[in-house]
Amino acid sequence: GAGVSQSPSNKVTEKGKDVELRCDPISGHTALYWYRQRLGQGLEFLIYFQGNSAPDKSGLPSDRFSAERTGESVSTLTIQRTQQEDSAVYLCASSPRPTDTEAFFGQGTRLTVV
Amino acid sequence: AQSVTQLDSHVSVSEGTPVLLRCNYSSSYSPSLFWYVQHPNKGLQLLLKYTSAATLVKGINGFEAEFKKSETSFHLTKPSAHMSDAAEYFCVANAGGTSYGKLTFGQGTILTVHP
Repeated sequence: GAGVSQSPSNKVTEKGKDVELRCDPISGHTALYWYRQRLGQGLEFLIYFQGNSAPDKSGLPSDRFSAERTGESVSTLTIQRTQQEDSAVYLCASSPRPTDTEAFFGQGTRLTVV
Repeated sequence: AQSVTQLDSHVSVSEGTPVLLRCNYSSSYSPSLFWYVQHPNKGLQLLLKYTSAATLVKGINGFEAEFKKSETSFHLTKPSAHMSDAAEYFCVANAGGTSYGKLTFGQGTILTVHP
């Protein structure tokens, strides 16, 4: 596709359940980012993938959060045993290079934990 | 480590008056700097970027920003606000070193434009 695609666009889940969020980056983009945006707050860095390098996981808030990326393609963000504080919009972005180029953002997945 | 501080959480202007959204950064390396805009229920859109070329950067919709290394600032300006400019704006840094490739966002500034 032409842009970064995220699915699902909306997800409502019960507390304690696991969820998996998907991101399809723009083809050829080596860098991929996950961010979280809680209601009324700024963007919180979660994880960053760059090519085949070890990902920067420094933003993951707890061991309930994990993410994978297959090569330079699809990435999945998994949240285990969801809590109400996990409710947020999860944004994925990709970039052709990791420094001086713009990052292109998907529309996000709105996660609501009830 | 790098950090980005947006000095105003809310800015309110009248239509036709100038806009100033302030951003300061902290980085051990020369960063690339960006401004993104997020309209309600819309995705993030790049307004402009600084990547060590000209210090005055022009972006879309009449916005521009000036990189001032001595002040570690990258303020966003527009000479005349339009109602359609009402949105949330994010200043973003992308630096090297241990933060290589990692985008760091400011907390955002909500711009309100009054008729």
